Amino acid sequence: QVQLQESGPGLVKPSQTLSLTCTVSGGSISSGGNYWSWIRQHPGKGLEWIGYIYYSGSTYYNPSLKSRVTISVDTSKNQFSLILSSVIAADTAVYYCARGRYYFDIWGQGTLVTVSS
Amino acid sequence: SYVLTQPPSVSVAPGQTARITCEGNNIGSKNVHWYQQKPGQAPVLVVYDDSDRPSGIPERFSGSNSGNTATLTINRVEAGDEADYYCQVWDSSSDHRVFGGGTKLTVL
Repeated sequence: QVQLQESGPGLVKPSQTLSLTCTVSGGSISSGGNYWSWIRQHPGKGLEWIGYIYYSGSTYYNPSLKSRVTISVDTSKNQFSLILSSVIAADTAVYYCARGRYYFDIWGQGTLVTVSS
Repeated sequence: SYVLTQPPSVSVAPGQTARITCEGNNIGSKNVHWYQQKPGQAPVLVVYDDSDRPSGIPERFSGSNSGNTATLTINRVEAGDEADYYCQVWDSSSDHRVFGGGTKLTVL
């Protein structure tokens, strides 16, 4: 059974770079034509899709975040990663990694990232 | 951009039927997906492609979609169904994945 687990710093200073990694276990990140996404949830708010990556490295990002987002994949480690640059307080959220391109059938448990000095 | 509108809250007694709506312009032409999120937990997919259920999701959960409204129906509601529910679509015109604002289901 495929499982996802996010990891990374829980606190990032304003203007710096948020970096998170999602480790895929129970299956290969390269198999099955799967796409891998990042989604975030501001405290007490709804869900916002950030972007996805295919194991080949092709990506697509939410236009509202595109200028600050990079998603990459490391098939040798069965991981994919999120980089969000120039963070501000409004980037404080729970960040989830998930499997899927058009909908998301497996999610990580989520990790809270707080942007604060 | 495409907007999905959900009622903020729905309340239902145990054993009754809960219906959670998701409104969007001509949403009937899109595939709608539904997620359940309990406090402190990640969302769980409960319905995809309007009316299909992932394995492990009870048959009590069903979905429909027509016109400008999609509906998640939960039959024989249990206390454990109390959660936030989100609808989601892929908007082909913008290639954007859009979520509704969420509905809090309260089991009385």
